[in-house]
Amino acid sequence: DGGITQSPKYLFRKEGQNVTLSCEQNLNHDAMYWYRQDPGQGLRLIYYSQIVNDFQKGDIAEGYSVSREKKESFPLTVTSAQKNPTAFYLCASGFRDLREKLFFGSGTQLSVL
Amino acid sequence: AQSVSQHNHHVILSEAASLELGCNYSYGGTVNLFWYVQYPGQHLQLLLKYFSGDPLVKGIKGFEAEFIKSKFSFNLRKPSVQWSDTAEYFCAVNSGGGADGLTFGKGTHLIIQP
Repeated sequence: DGGITQSPKYLFRKEGQNVTLSCEQNLNHDAMYWYRQDPGQGLRLIYYSQIVNDFQKGDIAEGYSVSREKKESFPLTVTSAQKNPTAFYLCASGFRDLREKLFFGSGTQLSVL
Repeated sequence: AQSVSQHNHHVILSEAASLELGCNYSYGGTVNLFWYVQYPGQHLQLLLKYFSGDPLVKGIKGFEAEFIKSKFSFNLRKPSVQWSDTAEYFCAVNSGGGADGLTFGKGTHLIIQP
């Protein structure tokens, strides 16, 4: 069953703590993306990766870090430097030709304790 | 940098009414344009896309959109909405087909009253 899997569905972070959100895809896509969704703000791009071992900052990368060691995996770490981490995080993947559609995961809701 | 503006944040319509959701983008070069929809509790999914050719594109579930280059617009339309169209709708743009991600608008929350 092909698709994108995000985990966990819900995540709680304590002050000063780093947390990592998982994103795995088995669609053989080269490109992967992390978006943050806030009510009334739409989706904003955090980081993206077009190929293994390479990634680029998006519009709101501060306080976040990523890695792309495998084609299938693109984990996002929300660091303690991110002062307003409460949001819905969406992972997406696609072919490098973005005229084709992106496939989105089901998201992770991150909240601060 | 490109940006996308969606004119209406909340729209409430009755069933069988006609729908038009506005979308304007700021990038002046070649663009690829998309409408995505997020039904309650479901993944974001593609409604339709435009990258070249006929400026009137048809998507799933009876939706269509018209690309008007002179107005930098890509408005979404449906002649007769159904209760099941209740969802969040996002317009998005990508410049030149590169894999540097989509820029999304802030979304329009559409509620269809039976």
